[in-house]
Amino acid sequence: EVQLVESGGGLVQPGGSLRLSCTASGFTFSSYWMSWVRQAPGKGLEWVANIKIDEIEKHYGDSVKGRFTISRDNAKNSLYLQMNYLRAEDTAVYYCAREDHETLDVWGQGTTVTVSS
Amino acid sequence: EVVLTQSPATLSLSPGERATLSCRASQNVGRYLGWYQQKPGQAPRLLIFEASNRATGVPARVSGSGSGTDFTLTISSLEPEDFAVYYCQQRSNWPIFTFGPGTRVDIK
Repeated sequence: EVQLVESGGGLVQPGGSLRLSCTASGFTFSSYWMSWVRQAPGKGLEWVANIKIDEIEKHYGDSVKGRFTISRDNAKNSLYLQMNYLRAEDTAVYYCAREDHETLDVWGQGTTVTVSS
Repeated sequence: EVVLTQSPATLSLSPGERATLSCRASQNVGRYLGWYQQKPGQAPRLLIFEASNRATGVPARVSGSGSGTDFTLTISSLEPEDFAVYYCQQRSNWPIFTFGPGTRVDIK
């Protein structure tokens, strides 16, 4: 079964840091670009970042550029999102997703990040 | 920057009725348009890629059409499990993904 499982979410104070992980199974992880997408409470979907198969290319949304870093470990079938200088507006459910046909065809169940003092 | 607009914001229909959802792009996006379904507390699910291709496991009552700036998602006869929020998504300005604001399909 093709599956993505996120972890690492939690409550963090403004200005703090958090590292999200996403573990893939059921497909050849090293063959796909991967993305992070987030959804603030009661809001729509916002693309956060993506990473090429070999990590050579990484791209970020304007709202997280300079604060978040995406990475991957193909040997561990894992995707990561290091989030620094967190703000209240970063509060959201964070999903990892697989890219294919210019869409996001497989999604994890999400992990919740809450930024609050 | 391409902006996606979805209409209507909410669609109230009964089971068995036809649902027609619209997505309009501010610039030509070719056929790089996808549709997703999201139910409360769940992750989004890909329904349609490249404007009209059904993703794996998506029933035949769901179809997508359009190109350029105007796209439509049609559900020919609503089943109880179809009541959800639907998002369109484009990627003409690669590598960025942009989503529309969503259309909620409610039970009338």
